[in-house]
Amino acid sequence: KAGVTQTPRYLIKTRGQQVTLSCSPISGHRSVSWYQQTPGQGLQFLFEYFSETQRNKGNFPGRFSGRQFSNSRSEMNVSTLELGDSALYLCASSIQDRTFGEQYFGPGTRLTVT
Amino acid sequence: KQEVTQIPAALSVPEGENLVLNCSFTDSAIYNLQWFRQDPGKGLTSLLLIQSSQREQTSGRLNASLDKSSGRSTLYIAASQPGDSATYLCAVSNTGNQFYFGTGTSLTVIP
Repeated sequence: KAGVTQTPRYLIKTRGQQVTLSCSPISGHRSVSWYQQTPGQGLQFLFEYFSETQRNKGNFPGRFSGRQFSNSRSEMNVSTLELGDSALYLCASSIQDRTFGEQYFGPGTRLTVT
Repeated sequence: KQEVTQIPAALSVPEGENLVLNCSFTDSAIYNLQWFRQDPGKGLTSLLLIQSSQREQTSGRLNASLDKSSGRSTLYIAASQPGDSATYLCAVSNTGNQFYFGTGTSLTVIP
């Protein structure tokens, strides 16, 4: 069974631009969560989607948004990029209908903002 | 808000040693706790998941224990190998449908 896939793997953007990241969960998984990882703040929760509905959101500004499609694939969008948005963005999928099921992570998208 | 702490932040051991990594959390009302490893620049690999009703889980050379009342978990690695070198992260989930992560322990196993 294929694991969680994320595209693109690497991305370079300039300040003020916007970016869209994609995550395909493990087949049969309906919950997708997004995390931001930086050296200073560690792993921080962005949001979680289940059956196309955002169930929970972390403490990030409104520039960070996401959505989930009917096939459970999820996208994350960051508008008006800032230098501080440079990070590894990870998504995780879970088979259970609660995020406190076992989480399986993708390889991440490395975003660099210049 | 749940806070997760991992001690030590870094650990270096000779190959073959047994070692223990520690994870503590402030809110004992958790649903589960999961241990991960992360290799440099990579995603997270799930190692062990302990449900709140369980006391421990084992997989090969790894054993994780959970003491909810004291807010602690330990990851025991037996007979460490150079391939075990990575950052180990623990994460807890409770009400709110999200995981809270510790800052990790960077492990180096010296051949």
